[in-house]
Amino acid sequence: AQRVTQPEKLLSVFKGAPVELKCNYSYSGSPELFWYVQYSRQRLQLLLRHISRESIKGFTADLNKGETSFHLKKPFAQEEDSAMYYCALSAWGSRLTFGEGTQLTVNP
Amino acid sequence: EAGVTQSPTHLIKTRGQQATLRCSPISGHTSVYWYQQALGLGLQFLLWYDEGEERNRGNFPPRFSGRQFPNYSSELNVNALELEDSALYLCASSRWDGELFFGEGSRLTVL
Repeated sequence: AQRVTQPEKLLSVFKGAPVELKCNYSYSGSPELFWYVQYSRQRLQLLLRHISRESIKGFTADLNKGETSFHLKKPFAQEEDSAMYYCALSAWGSRLTFGEGTQLTVNP
Repeated sequence: EAGVTQSPTHLIKTRGQQATLRCSPISGHTSVYWYQQALGLGLQFLLWYDEGEERNRGNFPPRFSGRQFPNYSSELNVNALELEDSALYLCASSRWDGELFFGEGSRLTVL
C-alpha cells in the first residue's frame, strides 16, 4: 500500500528565512511525487512534480529514494508563501495519495 | 478554459438523509476523483472514475457511492448521513499526465 507522511501539521518561519516542508513516503515501486498547494480562499493546485525538476515560485523538491523522502524547500520564504501544502504520491495506474498537509505561516 | 465545477457549494442535511454532490470535469478530461477533506484529517481518497467506470475506491463504507456519466461528469452520493460526514468534498479531474485539477468543493454539513 502507498502512504505519505507529513510529520509537521504546522510550520512557522519568518520572512527571508529558509523553509523546508518534510514529506516521507512508503511504496515498493517507483512512485511519482507531487506537491500541491492551497492558498487562502483558492482551490488546491499543483505546485511541482518531481519528474519535471522545475523550480516553481522559488520552491524545489528532490526525490530521495534511499530515504524515501520528497522534502519541499525554499531558501528565502515570502509572506505570500503562507498556505497549506500537501505532498502526494501516485503509482502507475493508481489514484493520488495525499499526506495530511502542512500549514505554513510566514511571519513578517 | 473552464475549470472543474462542483455543485452545490454548500449543503445542509440532517442525520439519516441522503446527499448528492455533482462535478463537471475540465473538457477533455476523462478521469474524475472524489476526496473528502475533513477538519484535521487532510485529503482522504473516496472514489476514482475513468471512462465511466469505477477504477478505485478508498476506505469508506458502501453508503458512499457515485457514478460517472457519458459526458464524464460525476455524482457522489452519500446515504444515511452521519454527523462525521460533515466535510468539504473535493472533486478533481486529470489529464493524461496525471496532474489533478481541483474544484472549489462542496461543503456538506450534517446536523
